[in-house]
Amino acid sequence: NAGVTQTPKFQVLKTGQSMTLQCAQDMNHNSMYWYRQDPGMGLRLIYYSASEGTTDKGEVPNGYNVSRLNKREFSLRLESAAPSQTSVYFCASTQYQETQYFGPGTRLLVL
Amino acid sequence: AQSVTQPDIHITVSEGASLELRCNYSYGATPYLFWYVQSPGQGLQLLLKYFSGDTLVQGIKGFEAEFKRSQSSFNLRKPSVHWSDAAEYFCAVGFTGGGNKLTFGTGTQLKVEL
Repeated sequence: NAGVTQTPKFQVLKTGQSMTLQCAQDMNHNSMYWYRQDPGMGLRLIYYSASEGTTDKGEVPNGYNVSRLNKREFSLRLESAAPSQTSVYFCASTQYQETQYFGPGTRLLVL
Repeated sequence: AQSVTQPDIHITVSEGASLELRCNYSYGATPYLFWYVQSPGQGLQLLLKYFSGDTLVQGIKGFEAEFKRSQSSFNLRKPSVHWSDAAEYFCAVGFTGGGNKLTFGTGTQLKVEL
């Protein structure tokens, strides 16, 4: 039981490049989330998917898109990366109103 | 808008001393509350949670937290801190009807002096 997995672990991009962060969970959870973590700002919700087939914006969605590929997988795409998107990205999953389980994170540097 | 406040950005305690980390929230509805811990370079691990019932909840690693509705608080405590408790601690709040979303505080960095 791997829990929540994220790929890649680290990534360096140049401004304007695109990339997709992958997330998968094997706990049969309905809801999945993408957060970014920046120093002194805690975790901020980018997008979430309450159930398969639905996605909604969170607090900081600009510059990002998401796809809920199936119940297990939820990807985050940066179409044209900017230095302001340098951050640590966490994926999480949960059942209804239960504990959110987090992946190990992806550290992204945009030059 | 909902908000979560962790007023202490950094806290330093001596090993063996007691610890209290503060968390206050502003929500209109009945909240459910979490404390997570993050070691450097790691993801977040759940310490404890409160949904309903007994307002004093026990968690892993000897931590406990008390929900005080009148003070809109959910402070985390530990009677005797160990050097391995040095980490960042996050309080998070959700509420029924909130779409399973959580709002996180900005975190408290705990340093333990030997």
